[in-house]
Amino acid sequence: KAGVTQTPRYLIKTRGQQVTLSCSPISGHRSVSWYQQTPGQGLQFLFEYFSETQRNKGNFPGRFSGRQFSNSRSEMNVSTLELGDSALYLCASSLEAVYEQYFGPGTRLTVT
Amino acid sequence: AQSVSQHNHHVILSEAASLELGCNYSYGGTVNLFWYVQYPGQHLQLLLKYFSGDPLVKGIKGFEAEFIKSKFSFNLRKPSVQWSDTAEYFCAVIPYSSASKIIFGSGTRLSIRP
Repeated sequence: KAGVTQTPRYLIKTRGQQVTLSCSPISGHRSVSWYQQTPGQGLQFLFEYFSETQRNKGNFPGRFSGRQFSNSRSEMNVSTLELGDSALYLCASSLEAVYEQYFGPGTRLTVT
Repeated sequence: AQSVSQHNHHVILSEAASLELGCNYSYGGTVNLFWYVQYPGQHLQLLLKYFSGDPLVKGIKGFEAEFIKSKFSFNLRKPSVQWSDTAEYFCAVIPYSSASKIIFGSGTRLSIRP
């Protein structure tokens, strides 16, 4: 069974731009969660989608948004990028609840 | 605010030494508890989880963790580490009331000397 895939793996953007990251969950998984990982803040929960609905969200500004499609693939968007948005963005999928998550390799975003 | 504390940021051990990594959380209600591991260059993966029942849970690769409710702790242990255990370890908590909102600790980097 293929694992969680994330595209692109690396991205360099300029302050003020926007970016869209993509996540394809494991086949059959309906829950997709997004996390931001930085050396200073560690792993922080962004949001979780289940059956195309945002089920929970973390404490991030409205510049961070996401969506989930009917095939469970998910995208997250960050608008008006700031230097502090440089991070590894991880996606994780699970069958229904978040309890047993499988993580993807992440997208390394660098904002210059 | 709910939080998870991993007080050891970097632990260095020799092979065959015993390991205990601390994890404490701040939430008074029912919780689900997890340990994740991230080996160099690999994805985060689940080591073990606790939902209910026996507070001593066993995971993959010889790891175990003990849930002590009175201490709000969920420490990870391994009796004898190997060089291949070199990785970063994350404790995580889902407070029962928060549905799917998982809170991760800051991680502990484990380095094993061969």
